[in-house]
Amino acid sequence: AQSVTQLDSHVSVSEGTPVLLRCNYSSSYSPSLFWYVQHPNKGLQLLLKYTSAATLVKGINGFEAEFKKSETSFHLTKPSAHMSDAAEYFCVVSDREDSSYKLIFGSGTRLLVRP
Amino acid sequence: SQTIHQWPATLVQPVGSPLSLECTVEGTSNPNLYWYRQAAGRGLQLLFYSVGIGQISSEVPQNLSASRPQDRQFILSSKKLLLSDSGFYLCAWSTGRRLNTEAFFGQGTRLTVV
Repeated sequence: AQSVTQLDSHVSVSEGTPVLLRCNYSSSYSPSLFWYVQHPNKGLQLLLKYTSAATLVKGINGFEAEFKKSETSFHLTKPSAHMSDAAEYFCVVSDREDSSYKLIFGSGTRLLVRP
Repeated sequence: SQTIHQWPATLVQPVGSPLSLECTVEGTSNPNLYWYRQAAGRGLQLLFYSVGIGQISSEVPQNLSASRPQDRQFILSSKKLLLSDSGFYLCAWSTGRRLNTEAFFGQGTRLTVV
């Protein structure tokens, strides 16, 4: 079965500084990977997804993630944090079940942005 | 376009009472449907997964059950709630027919069992 590990439960950055949220995956085949964001008491919104077309994936709100097969990583980055980026972020891998697919979530990383 | 509706948004229920949370999807047919639970300070746990009417897969043993009476309707139920059932419940849908298919989430239900 596929799995993801988010290495940090909390990350705190100052506004205007870079953001790095780390994610490692385990997969027995070439995976599809996603990052979702969740603002407090809200549903989840897709930030970006990796589907093997390009290793560097650009998402919404200035976020991007790089797929590194040799490191089994899919870290999320942003050059400059904004206060509105404060939220919880989930790294997700797609897993196959019978003839369909389901999403397996990491435990989440809460991003705090200091003024 | 596709939309997903989940209700109620918040719910406070006493221990031992029944539960029914409903989720419906519009604008697509034969979606995969999911129920996730998010306990305080924890990630999302997949509870139930359905690829079609009447087809339910349970991911973890628990006090809850799910049903799919119609193609785009997914219901989460309990006969008797426990304190440990408190949490944030999220319904989601996807086409689920390809590896790179993302899921789309409802706004969630905050359940507090007292």
